Parts: sequence; C-alpha cells; structure tokens
Amino acid sequence: AQSVTQLDSQVPVFEEAPVELRCNYSSSVSVYLFWYVQYPNQGLQLLLKYLSGSTLVKGINGFEAEFNKSQTSFHLRKPSVHISDTAEYFCAVSDGADKLIFGTGTRLQVFP
Amino acid sequence: DVKVTQSSRYLVKRTGEKVFLECVQDMDHENMFWYRQDPGLGLRLIYFSYDVKMKEKGDIPEGYSVSREKKERFSLILESASTNQTSMYLCASISFGDNSPLHFGNGTRLTVT
Repeated sequence: AQSVTQLDSQVPVFEEAPVELRCNYSSSVSVYLFWYVQYPNQGLQLLLKYLSGSTLVKGINGFEAEFNKSQTSFHLRKPSVHISDTAEYFCAVSDGADKLIFGTGTRLQVFP
Repeated sequence: DVKVTQSSRYLVKRTGEKVFLECVQDMDHENMFWYRQDPGLGLRLIYFSYDVKMKEKGDIPEGYSVSREKKERFSLILESASTNQTSMYLCASISFGDNSPLHFGNGTRLTVT
C-alpha cells in the first residue's frame, strides 16, 4: 500500500527566505508524485508533478521539487518566498491507477 | 479549462438529516472522487467512481453513500448526518489514461449541529 508522510505540519518563514517542505512516500511500485497548494477558502491547485524523466521538476510560482528514489522523497523548495505563498501544501502519490493518496499537509506561513 | 463545480460552498445541517452534496464536471471525465479534508489529517478518500453507476469504497466510506446516474454528476450522500461528519468535502475528477492531475472543486464546508 502507498502512503505519504509530510514531516512538518507548519513551517513559518520570513519573506524572501528560502523554504523546503518535506515529503516522503512509501510504495512497492513505480509512482507518480504531486504537490498541490490550497489557498484559504479555495480548492486544491496543482503546483507540479513527477511522472518520469528528469528528477528535478519545476512548477508554477517558482516552486520546484526533486524526486529522490533512494531516499523515497519528493521535497518541495522555493529559493525566495512571498507573502502570497502563505497556504497549505499537500504532497500526493499515485501508482498510476488514478487514485491519489495525500499527505496530511504542511501549512506555510510567510511573515513580512 | 476543466471545471469541477460543487453546488454549495457552505451547508449547515442538523443531526439526523439526510444530506446531499452535489458535484458536476464539464470535461467528460470517467473518474470522479469524493474526499474529506480535516485539520491534521489531510485529504481522505471517501468514495470514487470509474463510470456511470459504478462506485468503489475509499478509505473512510462509513456513514456515506454515493450516486452516479450521469457521467458528469457525482453525488455524496450522508444518510443520517452526525456531528463527526462536520468537515470540508472536496470533489475531484480525472480522465482515464490522462497524465494530468486530479481537478478539484472549491469544496463544500459542511457543519452538522
């Protein structure tokens, strides 16, 4: 069975600082990996996805993530955050059968 | 652009009421999903459907049922609402073989009093 662990429930950071949101997964098969963002009072939007190929994936709003198969990780990074990045971020895994398993989420709070 | 529409943004219901949450997608997607979102628990899959009149239990189906009479519409039903079903409910859809991600609606915040 697949599972996703987001190690940090909350990450506070000052504006313009770099940030890393951690995600580890477990799966016995090949996986597809996703990061979603949820702004207050909105549904989930895709930030980026890894299906195959290059392990460094670039997404929207300056975010990127690196797939590390040996460490079963897919950490999300941004070199310089903005106030507008304040949101909840979810990591998700799929075995390709279209059912996504989500992590418990990380709340990113950016302070001025 | 894919649109997934949930009919209600906020709902307040009483314990014991029968509650219908409606979801409609406009992209002819085969797969539709209902998740609930709770603080600290992330998104948990309640039910999903691969086709009209087909349904599969997710991880937390107890207390819920679903209906898919038309391809574009997937309804979540709480037969007898309870306070522990107070939550944010998210509907999503995707097409078979599509490497695109799930497309989500904006959610329905249900409060059961």
